[in-house]
Amino acid sequence: VHLVQSGAEMKKPGASVKVSCKSSGYTFSDYYVHWVRQAPGQGLEWLGRIDPKSGGTNYAQKFQGRVTMTRDTSTTTAYLELYRLASDDAAVYYCAKSGSHGSSDYWGQGTRVTVSS
Amino acid sequence: DIQMTQSPSFVSASLGDRVMITCRASQTIDNSVNWYQQKPGKAPKLLIYGASNLQSGVPSGFFGSGSGTDFTLTITNLQPEDYATYFCQQTYSISQTFGQGTKVEI
Repeated sequence: VHLVQSGAEMKKPGASVKVSCKSSGYTFSDYYVHWVRQAPGQGLEWLGRIDPKSGGTNYAQKFQGRVTMTRDTSTTTAYLELYRLASDDAAVYYCAKSGSHGSSDYWGQGTRVTVSS
Repeated sequence: DIQMTQSPSFVSASLGDRVMITCRASQTIDNSVNWYQQKPGKAPKLLIYGASNLQSGVPSGFFGSGSGTDFTLTITNLQPEDYATYFCQQTYSISQTFGQGTKVEI
């Protein structure tokens, strides 16, 4: 199982960022993909999840209206798009495959997003 | 959201020691707790799922226990490679949340 994310991004405040996460080694449509971020020196924060089979999503309330998660089943790739970036959105963004008991058993390598004017 | 209060924030321990990290949930969450290890610059690694189940490939020195609101990760016979930060996570709610983390220094 591998999840490979897109490269680092540098954005200005107010811009949007789109991060990709390509999955391999398992049946993509059978497991949720979660998105989690980690600001520098901070803990882990869940942004939401997508059901690759249906495209259905659940977002953390904090990000409602500012995040979109999508997927392309033909390329087994999940996407996270975050809008209206602010300085406190600077973080490493991770995708992760859902495992037993809602855990995340395989993670991408992370994508660093820098927000600076 | 369900809050996960993790303690201690930092622990200094010697090789061979036993370390215990606790998480308390703000409401009962059955056994819906998972534990992760994270090393600097790396993604988290799943250690324990469902409060007490050892993830495949994880050494047997990691032990999870608890149910309801109180959960514990025990690391026995501390090894140099166990230096890391550990996080608990609740998945009782769709909107999952993590504890603040515990840094283990050897």
